[in-house]
This record gives sequence, structure tokens and C-alpha cells, in this order.
Amino acid sequence: EAGVTQFPSHSVIEKGQTVTLRCDPISGHDNLYWYRRVMGKEIKFLLHFVKESKQDESGMPNNRFLAERTGGTYSTLKVQPAELEDSGVYFCASSQDWNYGYTFGSGTRLTVV
Amino acid sequence: QKEVEQNSGPLSVPEGAIASLNCTYSDRGSQSFFWYRQYSGKSPELIMFIYSNGDKEDGRFTAQLNKASQYVSLLIRDSQPSDSATYLCAVRPQGAQKLVFGQGTRLTINP
Repeated sequence: EAGVTQFPSHSVIEKGQTVTLRCDPISGHDNLYWYRRVMGKEIKFLLHFVKESKQDESGMPNNRFLAERTGGTYSTLKVQPAELEDSGVYFCASSQDWNYGYTFGSGTRLTVV
Repeated sequence: QKEVEQNSGPLSVPEGAIASLNCTYSDRGSQSFFWYRQYSGKSPELIMFIYSNGDKEDGRFTAQLNKASQYVSLLIRDSQPSDSATYLCAVRPQGAQKLVFGQGTRLTINP
């Protein structure tokens, strides 16, 4: 079974530019999550999709962040325009049954300069 | 007060000894508790989850939960150098499907 795939693995962009991160969950997993780890801080929840619907987006920091999940398959997280404080590692995770935890992707390291 | 607190370490344990990792949480209604292991530059990997008070064992790993004290721990028996990693405690708050993570404890097993 293929795991959760994220790309790019690294991205360096200038402040004010736009970046789009992509996540391909494990096939058949209805639940898809985005998390972020900023340097020196704990991993923090951003949002949760069930199929194509946003179940919980309480962790999205502001309206510069836009997440979509096309047809309940892969998801994208767009940051526009990027700010310096957006730098960090963005993790995607998926699960079939959220009661039993979920599988994380290897993350996208975003650096805004 | 942070929602989930862990000692950031580093925690250094000799090979073959028991490593004990601790975590406290603030939401008394939290339902389920998870331990993830993260090697440097890699994704968090689920080791164990526990829902009920008491101990849950899986191989060399034992998770312990005490809801009255709002405390969860992970014991690693017969520690190996390959256990050296950051261990993340995560809690699912009541009524939520998200996880709240602690900052992680960096564990080093010394040969």
C-alpha cells in the first residue's frame, strides 16, 4: 500500500509569492488532515477534510491559506501571498477511521525568504 | 498552560535500559491518546494509541494512561540505539477529530 505522498518536499519562495502544496492520501482514506510545524513549536492542526468537504478548518491561520480537496482524492494547500512566518514543515495525514490515529506524509519544508 | 506538555529533553538512556516518556494534558474530556515517533527529517510514525485507563503493551512498548491525573506515558523496554528519535504525544480532545500535539521529547539511546 502506498503511503501518504506530499510534494514538493522542499520549497523556497520569496515573501509575497504564491506556493501550492499537494498531498495524495492513502487510497480509500476519506479523512485528510493538514498540520504544520513552525520552527521550535509543536505540530499544529490546520484543517480536516472528510472526502471533499471541510469538516474542521479551525486551525487555518488566516485567509491567505486556501485548502481544497478535489473529488475527495488529493488535496492542495495554497498560501497566497506567503509571509515569513509561514515558514515551516507542512504535514498531510490521512486515515480511514480517525479513532485509530493516522498516517503522516513526509512533509513539505517551506521556506519564505 | 499548553494543552499537551512534554519535557523536550534530551533524555539520554543507556542501551538495554527502560526509557520513560511522559505527557500531561489539560482537557479533562480528552478521549484518546497517541504516541508518535519521529526520526530527524522524517514523518511522524504512529507507535501506539490508548483509550482506557491502565496499561497497554505492544512488544517493547507500553503506554500508560491515568485520566484522573491527566497523564499518559510511554515506556520502552530494552532500549536500542534505533529507538533514538523524538517522541510526540498527541491527544484527541473531546468532540474533535483533530490531534493536539506536545512539543516532543528527544530520546537518545547510548550504546
